[in-house]
Amino acid sequence: QVQLQESGPGLVKPSQTLSLTCSVSGASITSGAYYWSWIRQSPGKGLEWIGYIYHSGTTYYNPSLRSRVIISVDTSKNQFSLKLNSVTAADTAVYFCARQYGDSAVVRFHPWGQGTLVTVSS
Amino acid sequence: SYELTQPPSMSVSPGQTASITCSGDKLGDKYASWYQQRPGQSPVLVIYQDTRRPSGIPERFFGSNSGNTATLTISGTQALDEADYYCQTWDSATWVFGGGTKLTVL
Repeated sequence: QVQLQESGPGLVKPSQTLSLTCSVSGASITSGAYYWSWIRQSPGKGLEWIGYIYHSGTTYYNPSLRSRVIISVDTSKNQFSLKLNSVTAADTAVYFCARQYGDSAVVRFHPWGQGTLVTVSS
Repeated sequence: SYELTQPPSMSVSPGQTASITCSGDKLGDKYASWYQQRPGQSPVLVIYQDTRRPSGIPERFFGSNSGNTATLTISGTQALDEADYYCQTWDSATWVFGGGTKLTVL
């Protein structure tokens, strides 16, 4: 059974970089035609898909965040990571990692990690 | 940008049927998925590709999608079905979610 677990600082100062890691257990991140996504949830904007990475390193980002996001993968550790730079209070949210089935129209996200709250504040 | 609209809340009596709607322009031409999020937990996939149930999801969860509206129907609603429900689809450049519907079972 695949499980995902987010980790990283819970507090980030404005203008700095948010960095999170998702550890995958129960399956290899390189197995199957899966993509690995980051999704966030905030009271103001609800659920927002941030971007995905394939184990080859191919990435795709939400156009609204593309200029500030980098997602990377470390297959040796079975982990993938999120960096979001120049953060503001609007980036305060619970950040989830999730396994993504498929691409384009038939995508679903399953399972999700437990989520980690990141607060942007000085 | 593409928007999915859900009623913010609804209530249902135990044992009755709950129908949660998700509206978007020509949504029936796309695939819709549904997620259940219980308080303090992460979302769980309950319906994908309009009508399919993942392994382990009870048969009382049913999905449909036509015209501009996708619907998640829960028959014989139980107390443990009380949760927030989110729809999700794809539109040209990104995957989008509805604002969520809080289902209260009382």
